[in-house]
Amino acid sequence: AQTVTQSQPEMSVQEAETVTLSCTYDTSESDYYLFWYKQPPSRQMILVIRQEAYKQQNATENRFSVNFQKAAKSFSLKISDSQLGDAAMYFCASSRYNFNKFYFGSGTKLNVKP
Amino acid sequence: AAGVIQSPRHLIKEKRETATLKCYPIPRHDTVYWYQQGPGQDPQFLISFYEKMQSDKGSIPDRFSAQQFSDYHSELNMSSLELGDSALYFCASSETVTGPGETQYFGPGTRLLVL
Repeated sequence: AQTVTQSQPEMSVQEAETVTLSCTYDTSESDYYLFWYKQPPSRQMILVIRQEAYKQQNATENRFSVNFQKAAKSFSLKISDSQLGDAAMYFCASSRYNFNKFYFGSGTKLNVKP
Repeated sequence: AAGVIQSPRHLIKEKRETATLKCYPIPRHDTVYWYQQGPGQDPQFLISFYEKMQSDKGSIPDRFSAQQFSDYHSELNMSSLELGDSALYFCASSETVTGPGETQYFGPGTRLLVL
């Protein structure tokens, strides 16, 4: 099985600033995938970014980027130029290649201060 | 773009009643996953289907059953409901592609309250 750990239950960032959310995982698989999902108060799960473990290049989606350290089994999310709409619960998740049930972390609640 | 549809969005049941949750995946998606998210918890995987066959099973109680139909929609049937079944139930879908794994797209969830 895979385990995902998010050690920051809650974080705050000033609007327009940058914040980094941490995630570590444990897996014995060589092929796997990592994701960040955002869950706003509506509780809809929204994909933020995805990373294939076999790719060394860190994924980027507009203001969102990851720092993927495979050897350290670390997968942090950086949000640049934070906006009020970024306030949400953020879940880190992993899945195995071809066995795609997700293992979720416990989530990090991000507050954005105006 | 079309998204995953779940119905109903809200459901209130009494203890020991039954409930049926429905999920309509994104067109062309052949895999459906069900997750349960309790209050203040992360989503927990229940069960998944690929091409109408069960593909994986997680921490789904024996009181629950699910299936995927020929049109790829899925239903989660919950019987003998307990207070602890109160949760948000997500359905997600993905499209199997050759090569690396697929991203799951989540529906808005069904909020079940058992009284």
